[in-house]
Amino acid sequence: AQTVTQSQPEMSVQEAETVTLSCTYDTSESDYYLFWYKQPPSRQMILVIRQEAYKQQNATENRFSVNFQKAAKSFSLKISDSQLGDAAMYFCASDSWGKLQFGAGTQVVVTP
Amino acid sequence: DADVTQTPRNRITKTGKRIMLECSQTKGHDRMYWYRQDPGLGLRLIYYSFDVKDINKGEISDGYSVSRQAQAKFSLSLESAIPNQTALYFCATSDTRRKGYTFGSGTRLTVV
Repeated sequence: AQTVTQSQPEMSVQEAETVTLSCTYDTSESDYYLFWYKQPPSRQMILVIRQEAYKQQNATENRFSVNFQKAAKSFSLKISDSQLGDAAMYFCASDSWGKLQFGAGTQVVVTP
Repeated sequence: DADVTQTPRNRITKTGKRIMLECSQTKGHDRMYWYRQDPGLGLRLIYYSFDVKDINKGEISDGYSVSRQAQAKFSLSLESAIPNQTALYFCATSDTRRKGYTFGSGTRLTVV
């Protein structure tokens, strides 16, 4: 079985500042993938970033980057230069054996 | 048109009624999934299908059934709806390369 834990129900950040969302996971698969998804009020699930477990280099997509610590089974998301449009629910997810397991989510609030 | 289309977008139904949620995709992906989202619980897997002849239960399949009518179509049925099945339901697809999952826009189901 795989589990994904997000321990921060809500995080607040000011515009232009940086916020880091935490995620830990557990899986027995050796070849797995990790994702962060964003869900704005429109409820659409939007892929933010993807990390392949066999790659040591941390993934980066524009203002979004991850800190992947494989031994610690940790996969945090950093949002730099936060914008009002970043306000959303963020889900960490682990793909093992072709199935996604999600964490409970972290609500990101961006204040002007 | 959207890559993954879910119908209906919203639905209110009565306890005991049979209801079907439909999903179709134009991604050409073999793998399709049904997830349920509840506040504070993230998304949980109900059923998944890796190809037309393959159907598998997820972690919360009780009270649900599915049908994979074609590569592009995967429907979810509630044979006798109950109030605790009130939730947001997502259909998703992926390819075997596991580069990411594409989600539909969700069906908000309310059982009264």
